[in-house]
Amino acid sequence: GAVVSQHPSRVICKSGTSVKIECRSLDFQATTMFWYRQFPKKSLMLMATSNEGSKATYEQGVEKDKFLINHASLTLSTLTVTSAHPEDSSFYICSARAEGQSTGELFFGEGSRLTVL
Amino acid sequence: SQKIEQNSEALNIQEGKTATLTCNYTNYSPAYLQWYRQDPGRGPVFLLLIRENEKEKRKERLKVTFDTTLKQSLFHITASQPADSATYLCALDKQAGTALIFGKGTTLSVSS
Repeated sequence: GAVVSQHPSRVICKSGTSVKIECRSLDFQATTMFWYRQFPKKSLMLMATSNEGSKATYEQGVEKDKFLINHASLTLSTLTVTSAHPEDSSFYICSARAEGQSTGELFFGEGSRLTVL
Repeated sequence: SQKIEQNSEALNIQEGKTATLTCNYTNYSPAYLQWYRQDPGRGPVFLLLIRENEKEKRKERLKVTFDTTLKQSLFHITASQPADSATYLCALDKQAGTALIFGKGTTLSVSS
């Protein structure tokens, strides 16, 4: 099946620094990837839709200048949390559909646990 | 506004019994509904997809029903095992062909 790899799995940073999380589709091309955020014991919340070669589409309430998304190629999307603060500490998960599939199941990365001190 | 509700936050059952999880939705007309499993600290894993014209779908010990009149899906795990302990999420397309929106999930604990 389709594999999505996410890196790093855990990151601890100081307040005010920026952190980049990478999401790669290993065995398929993904023109669209989705970024989610999950707080403890809460559901996944969609942050943005990442489109290859164009700007990301952000959900209401998500600051696009704070959460920079770049979809540089058909297999790589990155999320950069800029000037991170403790309230940005969360579990960030990316996902994609297999190429040629506009609907149906999503394949998820393993997630990245961000802790901002 | 669109809403997905998984009424039980937690469900505890004995090994061998059937677990039944509920997903209700409002202000949606989904073409299909999906169920995922999430283990602690991991990304969700796809389990089953059921289309609006399908009343029931099965995969090994899993069974999903979809009632578009009641706006409800039921997810069953038969002959449950401790290894089935996880959080189960129900999901719908935000809009056709876009991202999925998830319910809060039900955490299932199967004791031996």
